[in-house]
Amino acid sequence: AQTVTQSQPEMSVQEAETVTLSCTYDTSESDYYLFWYKQPPSRQMILVIRQEAYKQQNATENRFSVNFQKAAKSFSLKISDSQLGDAAMYFCAYSRYTGANSKLTFGKGITLSVRP
Amino acid sequence: NAGVMQNPRHLVRRRGQEARLRCSPMKGHSHVYWYRQLPEEGLKFMVYLQKENIIDESGMPKERFSAEFPKEGPSILRIQQVVRGDSAAYFCASNGIGSNSYQETQYFGPGTRLLVL
Repeated sequence: AQTVTQSQPEMSVQEAETVTLSCTYDTSESDYYLFWYKQPPSRQMILVIRQEAYKQQNATENRFSVNFQKAAKSFSLKISDSQLGDAAMYFCAYSRYTGANSKLTFGKGITLSVRP
Repeated sequence: NAGVMQNPRHLVRRRGQEARLRCSPMKGHSHVYWYRQLPEEGLKFMVYLQKENIIDESGMPKERFSAEFPKEGPSILRIQQVVRGDSAAYFCASNGIGSNSYQETQYFGPGTRLLVL
């Protein structure tokens, strides 16, 4: 079974600085999809970024980028120029498929606080 | 484009009562997933449905829990004879099949917070 591990329960970053959130996963598959979701205090789950395992290029969405290391099964999220609104829980997730039957396996999450 | 809708947002039940949670997927999406988030935990997959079909219920508790996605209307997650351990946030997500990542990525509703007294 696939597992997703987020070993850091909490992190803190100064506003405008850069922070990296770590995630490792375990799978025997060669094709799969990885995601970072943000959950602010409202508890709405918001997709931050998505990475296809077959793509070597790391995904980027504005201030958010990933460092995808397939051999190491590592998928970290880098947040640049941190803003107060970035404070939230961040969940790393894995899916074997996209589209049909694409259930997600989540890590336990990391609570990110941003210091003004 | 309306997002995934869930209602109610908050639900309080006493032990032994039934809870019904509703989910309407995004327009153009035909696949619905239910997840449960216990306090201080990540989300755990419960069930995956397409219209009128349960495709994968490997995460559903064997008793008291059921789900449906009828031809017309929202998907329903039903919990019979609720117990305190059922208190959690229940999230619904939807996606579809298409040629772009927007159609195929799961988007989540705001969740239903169930409190069992």
